[in-house]
Amino acid sequence: GQQVMQIPQYQHVQEGEDFTTYCNSSTTLSNIQWYKQRPGGHPVFLIQLVKSGEVKKQKRLTFQFGEAKKNSSLHITATQTTDVGTYFCAVNNNAGNMLTFGGGTRLMVKP
Amino acid sequence: DTEVTQTPKHLVMGMTNKKSLKCEQHMGHRAMYWYKQKAKKPPELMFVYSYEKLSINESVPSRFSPECPNSSLLNLHLHALQPEDSALYLCASSQVWGDNYGYTFGSGTRLTVV
Repeated sequence: GQQVMQIPQYQHVQEGEDFTTYCNSSTTLSNIQWYKQRPGGHPVFLIQLVKSGEVKKQKRLTFQFGEAKKNSSLHITATQTTDVGTYFCAVNNNAGNMLTFGGGTRLMVKP
Repeated sequence: DTEVTQTPKHLVMGMTNKKSLKCEQHMGHRAMYWYKQKAKKPPELMFVYSYEKLSINESVPSRFSPECPNSSLLNLHLHALQPEDSALYLCASSQVWGDNYGYTFGSGTRLTVV
């Protein structure tokens, strides 16, 4: 499947601080998806980005797709304890039929 | 109904046992998937079913045997597993295979092989 590198692997923040996780690919992506997995839970689909330079917002979450469609980021403004979990980016292969997950960024928020 | 339901939630089995994991969705999705997730790792694709036909087998050992009886059900039959097969097994579905829609995941079966 398609390979994506996700950084950082872990992030500790104080509640109220911002958080960003990045996904990078060596090849051009057709699209990228983002999932959140709470501790002990299962991945939950957040969003899909398709267009070059696309920016989408969901309340305090901002998702960006790079102009070259080789990277993406998820930014959380003013983190809350409910944001705790692992955030995964996921990409399809060229045929669009195999979804491969990045390594994930585990977010921990100190109250 | 917007859920994928997996049973059982937890399973402990011996290496000589035969067990089955079940997955059900009633969203009309025609693609269903099995993923395996080890602790602190991302989910890894095992199998893809599209319109009840096995479309992808990611070189999974034969001790894992998938089955799709109909468009709403997906089973994973387990036999002669090894302790290293202990993991969270996630079922997922999407509207159509290859359409790039987001996947809906079930809550998983946490499997321990002893």
